[in-house]
Amino acid sequence: LAKTTQPISMDSYEGQEVNITCSHNNIATNDYITWYQQFPSQGPRFIIQGYKTKVTNEVASLFIPADRKSSTLSLPRVSLSDTAVYYCLVGAVYNQGGKLIFGQGTELSVKP
Amino acid sequence: DAGVIQSPRHEVTEMGQEVTLRCKPISGHNYLFWYRQTMMRGLELLIYFNNNVPIDDSGMPEDRFSAKMPNASFSTLKIQPSEPRDSAVYFCASSLAWGSSYEQYFGPGTRLTVT
Repeated sequence: LAKTTQPISMDSYEGQEVNITCSHNNIATNDYITWYQQFPSQGPRFIIQGYKTKVTNEVASLFIPADRKSSTLSLPRVSLSDTAVYYCLVGAVYNQGGKLIFGQGTELSVKP
Repeated sequence: DAGVIQSPRHEVTEMGQEVTLRCKPISGHNYLFWYRQTMMRGLELLIYFNNNVPIDDSGMPEDRFSAKMPNASFSTLKIQPSEPRDSAVYFCASSLAWGSSYEQYFGPGTRLTVT
């Protein structure tokens, strides 16, 4: 099973770029890498997903090296409202079964 | 759509009692997931369904836990008998499919306290 490791916490200032890395050395061929954001007393919210190389959407970028043993979530120009816990999720589910493994989460604190 | 709906939002019960958590997924989504979140263990996948059929329940901690999905718009997670260590936030999530651009939509969660 892919075990994921993330930094417990990170601090940043408004307007900076934040990069959060997740290690997943045992990632399987069929596994996808997904990142979620969670605010207190809410369910996680999807940010971005990728399989390999780079993926970009309107809120973030996801960088995945060729060996796929890690991934980096990049948040450009963070604001105070980006203060939250960020989780990487590795795995896949199919009709025959599957596994989804969440990391322990990175608590991002954005300061003015 | 109102999103994933869970009820109750909070549940306080005594050890030994039966607890039933409910979930209504987003209409049209064919995958439904139950998760548990605690400080110690983080987010754990308990079980997931595809088209109302349980596919993988290997995350269910014990026989005291059971989940059903009688139709496409309703699922339950039952704990009987409940124990203090079951105290956690339980999330239900649904998704349209798996693969590229896959996205799980999570409900607000049910905070369960077993005394």
